[in-house]
Amino acid sequence: KNQVEQSPQSLIILEGKNCTLQCNYTVSPFSNLRWYKQDTGRGPVSLTIMTFSENTKSNGRYTATLDADTKQSSLHITASQLSDSASYICVVSFGGGGNKLTFGTGTQLKVEL
Amino acid sequence: EPEVTQTPSHQVTQMGQEVILRCVPISNHLYFYWYRQILGQKVEFLVSFYNNEISEKSEIFDDQFSVERPDGSNFTLKIRSTKLEDSAMYFCASRGQRNTEAFFGQGTRLTVV
Repeated sequence: KNQVEQSPQSLIILEGKNCTLQCNYTVSPFSNLRWYKQDTGRGPVSLTIMTFSENTKSNGRYTATLDADTKQSSLHITASQLSDSASYICVVSFGGGGNKLTFGTGTQLKVEL
Repeated sequence: EPEVTQTPSHQVTQMGQEVILRCVPISNHLYFYWYRQILGQKVEFLVSFYNNEISEKSEIFDDQFSVERPDGSNFTLKIRSTKLEDSAMYFCASRGQRNTEAFFGQGTRLTVV
């Protein structure tokens, strides 16, 4: 069964600190992996997208890594800001056309002063 | 910047009534999706649509659900006879080619009473 597991479930950090979120997946055939940020009551917004051959991708203060052998990914947030408070969702696309997205349960991040 | 737009933002309906949720995907995109998110739960795949037909659907997407692209721009989700458990945020998404990011709309909050 295709599954995407994320940890931790929730996280509280102080503004300015770094954090790393984890994602493990059992999706086959793998097409790509995405990290999304979802503010409460809003649609998910894409942060990064990585294919099988990519190990790392950055988008500003966000850096995602992918190990396709161990089927693990991480999202590292540097110098956190209050506006980073949101749910961060790991999403894996699979199938021949990369057609279907399987969402993880998300990590709820709260950044405090 | 192009975006996916959804209307209405909030819909309240009585159990047993039909609802139509509307989406305008990004104009040059080829793949269209509907997802839903029950409050406090993860985003779940409903259906994908490509080349004017359903390409995949989940077990949630039963005979009560249908999708249509009536005029080449709008993409609609119809729920024929709503149930209380259909209450959720419904997200429309679209993307271009394979391995490109999917853009999500802001969602329609459906409340069935």
